[in-house]
Amino acid sequence: KNEVEQSPQNLTAQEGEFITINCSYSVGISALHWLQQHPGGGIVSLFMLSSGKKKHGRLIATINIQEKHSSLHITASHPRDSAVYICAVRSPLSGGGADGLTFGKGTHLIIQP
Amino acid sequence: DAGITQSPRYKITETGRQVTLMCHQTWSHSYMFWYRQDLGHGLRLIYYSAAADITDKGEVPDGYVVSRSKTENFPLTLESATRSQTSVYFCASSDHRDGSYEQYFGPGTRLTVT
Repeated sequence: KNEVEQSPQNLTAQEGEFITINCSYSVGISALHWLQQHPGGGIVSLFMLSSGKKKHGRLIATINIQEKHSSLHITASHPRDSAVYICAVRSPLSGGGADGLTFGKGTHLIIQP
Repeated sequence: DAGITQSPRYKITETGRQVTLMCHQTWSHSYMFWYRQDLGHGLRLIYYSAAADITDKGEVPDGYVVSRSKTENFPLTLESATRSQTSVYFCASSDHRDGSYEQYFGPGTRLTVT
């Protein structure tokens, strides 16, 4: 079973700061997902990556397959970025035939004005 | 409405009662999943389904039953609810045909067992 560790668990920062959230996992994977859970509870996918780096607006995600590590960066953070950020790794489901996701516990980010 | 929906959004039930949480998706995605989310844990997989009439256990299946008679629906039943099943339940679907395995989540059902 893949173990997914995120750090930090909680992060409070000031508006405009550069934010980094880290994710490490124990077993090789086919891909890694970053998700965002809004204060109201909804979960949306931000990135899926299997190598290198992806950028979407102020969000950047990187992955190092050899080191089993990924980071999510937020540039010029804003209070609307306040949410729980969840790392999930894709690996085969127990029943075989398809991949499923194993989730980290999430990083609770608060951006203060 | 298009997308993935869950009902009810909030439910309070008593220990020992049977309760069913509904999940409906309009994309005809082949895969559907049920997760529970508890403080101190990440999302944990309860059951998943690869297609109609095909279901399989996830990480924490005990006390739950699922069925999938139609592609668009994936109900989760707690046969005899226990306080330990108080949680937020998320349904998700994905279309593996495109190779992305991206999962789309429903809004969640907050279940309290008293």
